[in-house]
Amino acid sequence: GAVVSQHPSWVICKSGTSVKIECRSLDFQATTMFWYRQFPKQSLMLMATSNEGSKATYEQGVEKDKFLINHASLTLSTLTVTSAHPEDSSFYICSARTGSLEDTQYFGPGTRLTVL
Amino acid sequence: SQQGEEDPQALSIQEGENATMNCSYKTSINNLQWYRQNSGRGLVHLILIRSNEREKHSGRLRVTLDTSKKSSSLLITASRAADTASYFCATGPDSNYQLIWGAGTKLIIKP
Repeated sequence: GAVVSQHPSWVICKSGTSVKIECRSLDFQATTMFWYRQFPKQSLMLMATSNEGSKATYEQGVEKDKFLINHASLTLSTLTVTSAHPEDSSFYICSARTGSLEDTQYFGPGTRLTVL
Repeated sequence: SQQGEEDPQALSIQEGENATMNCSYKTSINNLQWYRQNSGRGLVHLILIRSNEREKHSGRLRVTLDTSKKSSSLLITASRAADTASYFCATGPDSNYQLIWGAGTKLIIKP
């Protein structure tokens, strides 16, 4: 099946620093990748939709200057949390769409970000 | 964005029993998908049912879809401790290929 990896799996950083999270589709080309944020015991909140070679589409209320998304290739999308603050601490999950008729999203294992 | 509501929010049953979770949604859909999430992990796709299908099986999973009631159910038969997880329904996709997520049901299987 389609495999999506995320790196790092967890990161702890100081307030004010920037953190980059990578999302890779390992055995397929992902025309579309999605970035989600999940708070404890809550469902996924879509942050942005990323298409290869074009600017990401951000959901309402998500600051595009704070959460920079780069989808440089069909197998890699990155999310950079700039000038991170404690309120940015969360579980960040990416998913990728294979483009098949099934419309299934395949998810990475997630990245736990803790900002001190 | 979220449009789905799942019930129950939490379900605790004995190993071997059947577990049923329900999902309701608000708008018309192309398909409905069920995912599982183990604590602190990513999501695993379980099953997809299209809007013109009424029932689908995969191993111990049985999914039903009632588009007239805008609802779906996920049945896990002969539950195992390893089935302990949160289960989410998602509908879609929309024109941007986005899924719309339910709030999830936390399932605990007691050994």
